[in-house]
Amino acid sequence: KNEVEQSPQNLTAQEGEFITINCSYSVGISALHWLQQHPGGGIVSLFMLSSGKKKHGRLIATINIQEKHSSLHITASHPRDSAVYICAVREETSGSRLTFGEGTQLTVNP
Amino acid sequence: NAGVTQTPKFQVLKTGQSMTLQCAQDMNHEYMSWYRQDPGMGLRLIHYSVGAGITDQGEVPNGYNVSRSTTEDFPLRLLSAAPSQTSVYFCASSYSTSGTYNEQFFGPGTRLTVL
Repeated sequence: KNEVEQSPQNLTAQEGEFITINCSYSVGISALHWLQQHPGGGIVSLFMLSSGKKKHGRLIATINIQEKHSSLHITASHPRDSAVYICAVREETSGSRLTFGEGTQLTVNP
Repeated sequence: NAGVTQTPKFQVLKTGQSMTLQCAQDMNHEYMSWYRQDPGMGLRLIHYSVGAGITDQGEVPNGYNVSRSTTEDFPLRLLSAAPSQTSVYFCASSYSTSGTYNEQFFGPGTRLTVL
């Protein structure tokens, strides 16, 4: 069993829909990251959070440390949001190292 | 700033050949790492470094060597390429603030095929 589990693996939505991607983890963490991998392959960091909620434009990330769960929400989705979204955790004992989920492939149709 | 750069973008090797994947960053980040990405699997850590002269193994280090002689550069060497090393390789860097590491910045990736 992976330490970081994402759901769903694949998600197809219509433009304008509200989207939620989930991430569950089984270890104690010091931080959780959400990343976006574009169709061309490049990876960018969206959020790093250790508690509560963060918002950037139409993206919102939340984390519940007690339940070991995080969600990434996209409001008013757009075809340009189509990408792979990756959850990664920094374990409390790992210092600098990240453990990654397998990613969620999101496709937003016009 | 160029950020994190990787060369080459694509490479084809024959089994048994050796090569070096280059990675450089111009952000003065102390932390650098190499990952491989394979279909159906998350990014997996190969080697990492928390500063010049310091390297350590990650989750899948076998068949790879690294060195960190400067803050800027973190090359990954394949000693004797095998088809199992066919993958996309990403280099990343990060910095710490008061002992806490921040977001990672990724290079564009190198797509390696070993025949």
